[in-house]
Amino acid sequence: QKEVEQDPGPLSVPEGAIVSLNCTYSNSAFQYFMWYRQYSRKGPELLMYTYSSGNKEDGRFTAQVDKSSKYISLFIRDSQPSDSATYLCAMNRQAGTALIFGKGTTLSVSS
Amino acid sequence: DTGVSQDPRHKITKRGQNVTFRCDPISEHNRLYWYRQTLGQGPEFLTYFQNEAQLEKSRLLSDRFSAERPKGSFSTLEIQRTEQGDSAMYLCASSSNAGNVVGGYTFGSGTRLTVV
Repeated sequence: QKEVEQDPGPLSVPEGAIVSLNCTYSNSAFQYFMWYRQYSRKGPELLMYTYSSGNKEDGRFTAQVDKSSKYISLFIRDSQPSDSATYLCAMNRQAGTALIFGKGTTLSVSS
Repeated sequence: DTGVSQDPRHKITKRGQNVTFRCDPISEHNRLYWYRQTLGQGPEFLTYFQNEAQLEKSRLLSDRFSAERPKGSFSTLEIQRTEQGDSAMYLCASSSNAGNVVGGYTFGSGTRLTVV
């Protein structure tokens, strides 16, 4: 079992839809959780960062962490074609140490 | 400072040749990370530095791979005797070493290596 599991998709939605992206993990020591967006042939770009459990909102994006279930989510409201990309979850035990990534979920938003 | 810079963007090499990649981190960041990403996979951690000290190496970093950060600024990743399985995107990231990495890790655009 990999430490971080993420459904690779692809996920296709119409413009304006609410998108839900998820990851599960096995290591209960993970404390820091991040979501990155990666466009084709580019490096990952940080979208959301959360420490421990709880919710965090930034514009159209909401990140949720449920440490009891070892489950994290990213919600995208009012999705746009420009949101079409691969979304990667990442996490680590201690600030500044190696990030462990999921495989990434490929999202396509059609206009 | 415009972010993390990686050079070259693309590299095609013949099997058995040595290659070296360079990463210039954000200037105020003293942690620097190397990752490898293959098609359809998330980035896999290779190694990281705090200043010039290499603090952690992954099991993925075989003895054909070596990374340096001699003056705590830019870093190089060298692959000796390249194999076709080394074909991947090599990503560099940097962060501050504040106790809380608010702001996360900033990635470069990567070096795409193709071994033929």
